[in-house]
Amino acid sequence: EAGVTQFPSHSVIEKGQTVTLRCDPISGHDNLYWYRRVMGKEIKFLLHFVKESKQDESGMPNNRFLAERTGGTYSTLKVQPAELEDSGVYFCASSQESGQGWQTQYFGPGTRLLVL
Amino acid sequence: AQSVTQLGSHVSVSEGALVLLRCNYSSSVPPYLFWYVQYPNQGLQLLLKYTSAATLVKGINGFEAEFKKSETSFHLTKPSAHMSDAAEYFCAVRYSNTGNQFYFGTGTSLTVIP
Repeated sequence: EAGVTQFPSHSVIEKGQTVTLRCDPISGHDNLYWYRRVMGKEIKFLLHFVKESKQDESGMPNNRFLAERTGGTYSTLKVQPAELEDSGVYFCASSQESGQGWQTQYFGPGTRLLVL
Repeated sequence: AQSVTQLGSHVSVSEGALVLLRCNYSSSVPPYLFWYVQYPNQGLQLLLKYTSAATLVKGINGFEAEFKKSETSFHLTKPSAHMSDAAEYFCAVRYSNTGNQFYFGTGTSLTVIP
């Protein structure tokens, strides 16, 4: 079974540019999550999709970030325009069900974003 | 506010020595606790999780963790370190009253000295 995949693995852009990150969850997982780790800090929650609906977007830092999950399969996270503080590693995770607290979230390898 | 503390951002142990990575959480709400490991250039991999069935949880690669409610802790241990254990370890907590998001600690980078 394929795991969570993310593309690209690395991205280097200039301040003011736009970047789109993609996440493909494990097949059959309705729940998809985005997290971010800024260097030296903890991994922080950004948002949670259930199928194509945003269940919780309380962690989104500002309106420069736009997440979509059309059709309830893969998801994209767009940053427009990018700022220096957006640099970090963006992780995507997926899980089968969201109702049980013990449900494991399966993480992808992350996209390393550097904004210059 | 919910928080997770991992004491020690870097831990070094000799090969064959005990590994102890600390994790404390702060909440009066019953937590679900997880340990993840990230090897270089890979994603986070689940090591083990506490689901209230047993306080001592055994995971992969010889790791285990014990949930101590009185100490609000979920420390990760391994009796004998192996070179292949060198990685970054993350403690994560999910609370029953805050949706599905995980709260992570800042991570502990483990170095194993031959």
